[in-house]
Amino acid sequence: DTGVSQDPRHKITKRGQNVTFRCDPISEHNRLYWYRQTLGQGPEFLTYFQNEAQLEKSRLLSDRFSAERPKGSFSTLEIQRTEQGDSAMYLCASSLVGRGGTEAFFGQGTRLTVV
Amino acid sequence: GESVGLHLPTLSVQEGDNSIINCAYSNSASDYFIWYKQESGKGPQFIIDIRSNMDKRQGQRVTVLLNKTVKHLSLQIAATQPGDSAVYFCAESEGNRDDKIIFGKGTRLHILP
Repeated sequence: DTGVSQDPRHKITKRGQNVTFRCDPISEHNRLYWYRQTLGQGPEFLTYFQNEAQLEKSRLLSDRFSAERPKGSFSTLEIQRTEQGDSAMYLCASSLVGRGGTEAFFGQGTRLTVV
Repeated sequence: GESVGLHLPTLSVQEGDNSIINCAYSNSASDYFIWYKQESGKGPQFIIDIRSNMDKRQGQRVTVLLNKTVKHLSLQIAATQPGDSAVYFCAESEGNRDDKIIFGKGTRLHILP
């Protein structure tokens, strides 16, 4: 296993279009996070899953954002009707909770540019 | 709401000197803390973690100190090298509840030749 994988690495889209990002976590990791990061800021929590269950979604997150993890493995993050303010780096992380270790391991991110 | 924050946005250190990066947290229920390093264009990389039942933990060239009384966390990097140039984030979690990990704003470490 080579770590957390995110696809695509870069996405340029026109305002109003829908985009979908994919994250493949480290095998057997039961926890999966999505974060958003803008320049000069720390990763901002968006949502997280325990296996296939979505545990929490940030109250700051617009209804245009939705995430799924249907089989408890890979996850997708969809943004509908993109806006310029959605331009950011979208980071996925995974961890193994319940067995003592809880640090999250991150992918390289998907950089979204909305034009 | 409660959040993790940092005292300094930028820290410049001479190569070979020790670096100390500080972090203040406000959630008294947090019991698990992590330091991450992020290089330009990459995702955050785990450095070291510490649980609230410890005051100090050492790794390779790095030491994390936790002062629960004043809700303060620090990362010490010994003999700073050019490869240490990055943004460093502290993060917190209520680990006993396996809760989510929340990040602070970060400190940029700049290494002077």
